[in-house]
Amino acid sequence: SQQGEEDPQALSIQEGENATMNCSYKTSINNLQWYRQNSGRGLVHLILIRSNEREKHSGRLRVTLDTSKKSSSLLITASRAADTASYFCATDRSSYKLIFGSGTRLLVRP
Amino acid sequence: KAGVTQTPRYLIKTRGQQVTLSCSPISGHRSVSWYQQTPGQGLQFLFEYFSETQRNKGNFPGRFSGRQFSNSRSEMNVSTLELGDSALYLCASSAFDSSFSGNTIYFGEGSWLTVV
Repeated sequence: SQQGEEDPQALSIQEGENATMNCSYKTSINNLQWYRQNSGRGLVHLILIRSNEREKHSGRLRVTLDTSKKSSSLLITASRAADTASYFCATDRSSYKLIFGSGTRLLVRP
Repeated sequence: KAGVTQTPRYLIKTRGQQVTLSCSPISGHRSVSWYQQTPGQGLQFLFEYFSETQRNKGNFPGRFSGRQFSNSRSEMNVSTLELGDSALYLCASSAFDSSFSGNTIYFGEGSWLTVV
């Protein structure tokens, strides 16, 4: 069963705008990871945030984690058409087993 | 450094047949896990192997099995295929990162299985 839900399920924005995706989960976690998946392809690791961290940056990506609310957000700034993909959050309580959210489908219009 | 490699990328099987999928992890990674992705159920954990031992298992029937070899390469097998087994099967590998209590988990491109 999936750990949680992602919101929104689908997001359509104009190139250059920012995209924000949210992820909620149900149980305590060790870490939370975000992945990108282009249509029909594998998962590309974007960023990992530990349970004792609140915010992390990587290039145009900003991830926040609120363990009290059991939620995380992924912000992509200055979006590009190449950012069009599905984005998943995944949590782990014990190492090596990820529980995925349902994903957000992002469409960036040129 | 080469990524996680999965073969074959695409295959079509008939109901009742069996299938074997292969995964080569990133060099130095000893943990290999498998996931099934379907439109209806999303991404679900199948099992995880470390040093040739299955450490974690998801909620799948016994038709789904796997193994890991001494070189960390892994295979998963699905016997008596059903139409509902049509999915993208993803392999992932990880190595324990001593800098923190967690692992970055890297995925391969997946194997697309269609059961007809």
